[in-house]
Amino acid sequence: ETGVTQTPRHLVMGMTNKKSLKCEQHLGHNAMYWYKQSAKKPLELMFVYNFKEQTENNSVPSRFSPECPNSSHLFLHLHTLQPEDSALYLCASSQDQGASQEQYFGPGTRLTVT
Amino acid sequence: GQNIDQPTEMTATEGAIVQINCTYQTSGFNGLFWYQQHAGEAPTFLSYNVLDGLEEKGRFSSFLSRSKGYSYLLLKELQMKDSASYLCAGLDSNYQLIWGAGTKLIIKP
Repeated sequence: ETGVTQTPRHLVMGMTNKKSLKCEQHLGHNAMYWYKQSAKKPLELMFVYNFKEQTENNSVPSRFSPECPNSSHLFLHLHTLQPEDSALYLCASSQDQGASQEQYFGPGTRLTVT
Repeated sequence: GQNIDQPTEMTATEGAIVQINCTYQTSGFNGLFWYQQHAGEAPTFLSYNVLDGLEEKGRFSSFLSRSKGYSYLLLKELQMKDSASYLCAGLDSNYQLIWGAGTKLIIKP
């Protein structure tokens, strides 16, 4: 248990569906991250929020839409996804961004797009 | 460009020692992390090196050579529970983590 929870753990959705992934951290951290993890590939950073403000968007397609209502919660809204978007989506948090601090990861949401 | 290289897979025997190597090229450098990820679970932090040399933490040690752009993770007295993927990540000048694809370590009895 890392103090970061994600729901749902597994999600199967069609290309025309809209769904949301949720992340919550109980660590009092100020920075939160979304990563995409595909088999045998490096973790891809998608979005970073620091004190609820988005500070990084690594050229992510607009079919992925993040939302950070407060420092403890992070959402990833999904719509009209493609089969190549099937992957493990990991949320992480750290005390602050821009410092050499470890990130704490949630267990991830395994997404399958059919 | 920025790049992290590590072997895709390694096999070792229970009770033995294994060294997982990582070479990195980053724009600036603010340290190197190692994470462990068991199948189906979250990555968990193992170590952080920013100065040259060896950092020891129980059965696990991590080494860094900044001049060579090289790090390794050393695991001693291997146990079956050490079977996992080990992720190397470099922190660049913008404090962004650049990740390797991970090394899958298989421990055999």
